[in-house]
Amino acid sequence: SAVISQKPSRDICQRGTSLTIQCQVDSQVTMMFWYRQQPGQSLTLIATANQGSEATYESGFVIDKFPISRPNLTFSTLTVSNMSPEDSSIYLCSVDAASDRGNEQYFGPGTRLTVT
Amino acid sequence: GNSVTQMEGPVTLSEEAFLTINCTYTATGYPSLFWYVQYPGEGLQLLLKATKADDKGSNKGFEATYRKETTSFHLEKGSVQVSDSAVYFCALSSSNTGKLIFGQGTTLQVKP
Repeated sequence: SAVISQKPSRDICQRGTSLTIQCQVDSQVTMMFWYRQQPGQSLTLIATANQGSEATYESGFVIDKFPISRPNLTFSTLTVSNMSPEDSSIYLCSVDAASDRGNEQYFGPGTRLTVT
Repeated sequence: GNSVTQMEGPVTLSEEAFLTINCTYTATGYPSLFWYVQYPGEGLQLLLKATKADDKGSNKGFEATYRKETTSFHLEKGSVQVSDSAVYFCALSSSNTGKLIFGQGTTLQVKP
């Protein structure tokens, strides 16, 4: 299993500014993922962040807007740059880790971002 | 591309009622299928999964069977409890990348 923490848990930011979200895992994992959950909607994958390589972004998401770092096997950051109100969402970090049911994906508690 | 469609909510049931939340998918190849649950104020957690056709995933009284012929993975529970009130997400993963594609989520409210 994996226990994931995220910082901050929530924030209110002004448009045009940037926020960096941290994700810490209690074990070493290869695959880490960043998702976005917009108000009242489902989760959408932003990017996959594997240690030692550049993050892979999904369609509609770009590195300039959502730069990601993955310096080691237990930590990652996602920055939301030049924010606008449309970026108001919950941002979730997840990892793929072993469990007694085979590999499964564990999610962090999320960072609730409000952009004013 | 790959996608997941769930029945729209909210679903409101009385305690001990039978629950079905429909989920259908579109995918190339042979995806793995999942149900995730998000309890109020808590993070997303895996409820059950199935990795091949005709597999049945089960956990906490919930069941779902991977039906390739109907591309479905409906979630069922014989007798719901108030504590089952949550948002339920159907999801698929179609490769070894671990990436998940989620349905839109279904809110379940169980009343005593």
